[in-house]
Amino acid sequence: DVKVTQSSRYLVKRTGEKVFLECVQDMDHENMFWYRQDPGLGLRLIYFSYDVKMKEKGDIPEGYSVSREKKERFSLILESASTNQTSMYLCASRFRDRPWYTFGSGTRLTVV
Amino acid sequence: QQQVKQSPQSLIVQKGGISIINCAYENTAFDYFPWYQQFPGKGPALLIAIRPDVSEKKEGRFTISFNKSAKQFSLHIMDSQPGDSATYFCAARGYGGSQGNLIFGKGTKLSVKP
Repeated sequence: DVKVTQSSRYLVKRTGEKVFLECVQDMDHENMFWYRQDPGLGLRLIYFSYDVKMKEKGDIPEGYSVSREKKERFSLILESASTNQTSMYLCASRFRDRPWYTFGSGTRLTVV
Repeated sequence: QQQVKQSPQSLIVQKGGISIINCAYENTAFDYFPWYQQFPGKGPALLIAIRPDVSEKKEGRFTISFNKSAKQFSLHIMDSQPGDSATYFCAARGYGGSQGNLIFGKGTKLSVKP
């Protein structure tokens, strides 16, 4: 069964901490994505990556960075967590030449 | 031009009824229109998708209706069940590069009452 695995389901961090959210896919997908989901705002794209060591800003990249050192792993980094980054974070991946995404189960991050 | 507008934001339907969720887009270059279903605590999962060369696609109780001239598409859930209660997202994809990323609607929270 193909999977996108997000390392934590729930995470509580303090303001100012550096936070790492990890995503691993076992489908050999080239493209990977990070979204945040907030009530009434839907899915907002933070960053995406077309392939290893490649990254592109999405619609709301401020306060975030990403790392893709290996094809299967895409990390989202909150350099200095703030309370307005409390949200559900979703990772997704897909083959370069296929339109549909496979999503992970999400990480619910609370910054206190 | 890159937006996908989804309505309603929330929907309550009685068991056995028909649930209808609508989406509209402006970019005529979009070439793929999926619907995703998300249960609480889970990530979205692909439910059904359509390409603009057909006007309707049906999978079980779920049907996508597509109106190319009006730039609208909708999800119909026939004989809605409490197990269909979830958040539904429509999306659209353009051509190449970042244009090839999915653009999502803001979601519709469906509650099916027993």
